[in-house]
Amino acid sequence: QKEVEQDPGPLSVPEGAIVSLNCTYSNSAFQYFMWYRQYSRKGPELLMYTYSSGNKEDGRFTAQVDKSSKYISLFIRDSQPSDSATYLCAMKGTGFQKLVFGTGTRLLVSP
Amino acid sequence: DGGITQSPKYLFRKEGQNVTLSCEQNLNHDAMYWYRQDPGQGLRLIYYSQIVNDFQKGDIAEGYSVSREKKESFPLTVTSAQKNPTAFYLCASSIPAGYSSGANVLTFGAGSRLTVL
Repeated sequence: QKEVEQDPGPLSVPEGAIVSLNCTYSNSAFQYFMWYRQYSRKGPELLMYTYSSGNKEDGRFTAQVDKSSKYISLFIRDSQPSDSATYLCAMKGTGFQKLVFGTGTRLLVSP
Repeated sequence: DGGITQSPKYLFRKEGQNVTLSCEQNLNHDAMYWYRQDPGQGLRLIYYSQIVNDFQKGDIAEGYSVSREKKESFPLTVTSAQKNPTAFYLCASSIPAGYSSGANVLTFGAGSRLTVL
């Protein structure tokens, strides 16, 4: 079993839809949770990160962490065609530990 | 603007050849990383370096080598011992945990795509 599981998609939605992207994990030591966005043939860029449980909002994006269920989510409101990309979740414990990445979910937002 | 520069963007290699991928950063970050990305497998860590003249193996170091002679530079050599080198290679850097509230957020370069002919 992988430490981090993420549905590869693709997830296809119409413009304006609310998108929910999710990851599950098995390591209870994870404390930092991140979402990266990667456009085709580009490097990933950080969207958001959260520490421990709770919600964090940044514009149209909301990240949620439920440590009791070992489940994290990224919600995108009013999705736009420019949101079409692969979304990678990543997480780590405390200290200088390596990030563990999910495989990424490919999102397609159609006009 | 600060960032990470990877070169070349595309590289073709014949079997049996060594190739070196360049990674330069001007973010003044101490830590640097090399990842390999394959379809359906996510990002896998090859090597990382926390300080100059020091580096550690990641999860898939076999067939790769690195050096860290300068803070700004972390080149990756894909040797002929790497049996399946065709992949997208990503370099990243970060401020170590002690300076960034523990998140150790990575900044990535644009990547280098290596194809073996």
